[in-house]
Amino acid sequence: AQKITQTQPGMFVQEKEAVTLDCTYDTSDPSYGLFWYKQPSSGEMIFLIYQGSYDQQNATEGRYSLNFQKARKSANLVISASQLGDSAMYFCAQKIYAGGTSYGKLTFGQGTILTVHP
Amino acid sequence: GAVVSQHPSRVICKSGTSVKIECRSLDFQATTMFWYRQFPKKSLMLMATSNEGSKATYEQGVEKDKFLINHASLTLSTLTVTSAHPEDSSFYICSARDLLGRPPAGEQFFGPGTRLTVL
Repeated sequence: AQKITQTQPGMFVQEKEAVTLDCTYDTSDPSYGLFWYKQPSSGEMIFLIYQGSYDQQNATEGRYSLNFQKARKSANLVISASQLGDSAMYFCAQKIYAGGTSYGKLTFGQGTILTVHP
Repeated sequence: GAVVSQHPSRVICKSGTSVKIECRSLDFQATTMFWYRQFPKKSLMLMATSNEGSKATYEQGVEKDKFLINHASLTLSTLTVTSAHPEDSSFYICSARDLLGRPPAGEQFFGPGTRLTVL
């Protein structure tokens, strides 16, 4: 079964600074997608950014960018110019696109709680 | 973007009672819905995959007689926690897959969650 690992239970960052949240995965399937979600204290899951395994360039969405290193099986999220509203729990997730029992399902990492200090 | 609703958002019940949670896709058709369970400050654990018109597929270790899932229409899936006990207290989140939605975000939209507390 696929496994997603987020090794940082908690991260602190000063407002307006950049922060990197780590994510590694271990699938051997060639076709997959990597997702990052933000979960504020209200509980809703907010989609942030996506990277496909065949994408040649790293994904970017506004202040979010994904540092995709395929050989290292890592997909770190970079948040630039942190804001107080960025304080939340962040999840990395993976979906396999070809065959297998995990096809179509999102598998989540343990999550990282990000706290932005003023 | 597509909207998924859950009802109720919060429920408190006595031990031994059954609780039904509804998940609706409001502006798109969802042939597949997913049910997750989340403990405080923990990850989302997939409980089951619900397909319209067929039986749900449960993940290993999830009791299907305990967590009844019904996906009767293309816009509604329900999760019933039968004979609830305090250990069933958790945050339950559903997501709906919009096959006509633009990937990747459109592949799965999440509901706002239901917080269940069993006394």
